[in-house]
Amino acid sequence: SQQGEEDPQALSIQEGENATMNCSYKTSINNLQWYRQNSGRGLVHLILIRSNEREKHSGRLRVTLDTSKKSSSLLITASRAADTASYFCAPAGNTPLVFGKGTRLSVIA
Amino acid sequence: GAGVSQSPSNKVTEKGKDVELRCDPISGHTALYWYRQRLGQGLEFLIYFQGNSAPDKSGLPSDRFSAERTGESVSTLTIQRTQQEDSAVYLCASSLSDQETQYFGPGTRLLVL
Repeated sequence: SQQGEEDPQALSIQEGENATMNCSYKTSINNLQWYRQNSGRGLVHLILIRSNEREKHSGRLRVTLDTSKKSSSLLITASRAADTASYFCAPAGNTPLVFGKGTRLSVIA
Repeated sequence: GAGVSQSPSNKVTEKGKDVELRCDPISGHTALYWYRQRLGQGLEFLIYFQGNSAPDKSGLPSDRFSAERTGESVSTLTIQRTQQEDSAVYLCASSLSDQETQYFGPGTRLLVL
């Protein structure tokens, strides 16, 4: 199985600022997914970007994918205190979708 | 329809006892995953079922851990002779296939005294 590696491990920003999290992976993928986790409960799917897409938007979320660099980024614009959570990327290729350690985002009001 | 459910929500057990954790996936989902998450840590992949294929057990930490799945329905994760380091939240997820979005249950919080 392949897991993504999120960077940074932790990020602290002020409310209203943008938050950028990065993900790197090692082998070819069919798609890459981002998830959010609040308070140690189950993960919630945020967005899926396919390997033939370079950018995707969903509300205040913007995801980019660079398959040549085997990397993706998640941008949260105009962050809110409610965005405080851990964020995980999951590259989906020829092996089961698994998760890494995540980025812990803290948005300070 | 209903989401992924897990039971029990919380389990406290004594060191050395066996525990069984249950996961009911979303109906029609062929893929089912188990993860472990220790306090303040990321997800640790344990085991994965996809249809009738042999499960991917590569994440199981020791032979005290085992899991079964009946067809494309319920799965049970069994931990034998529990140790204090087994204390964690155990999360189950299911998906339509192994490449698609995973839907998570609320988890079982296990505490081994």
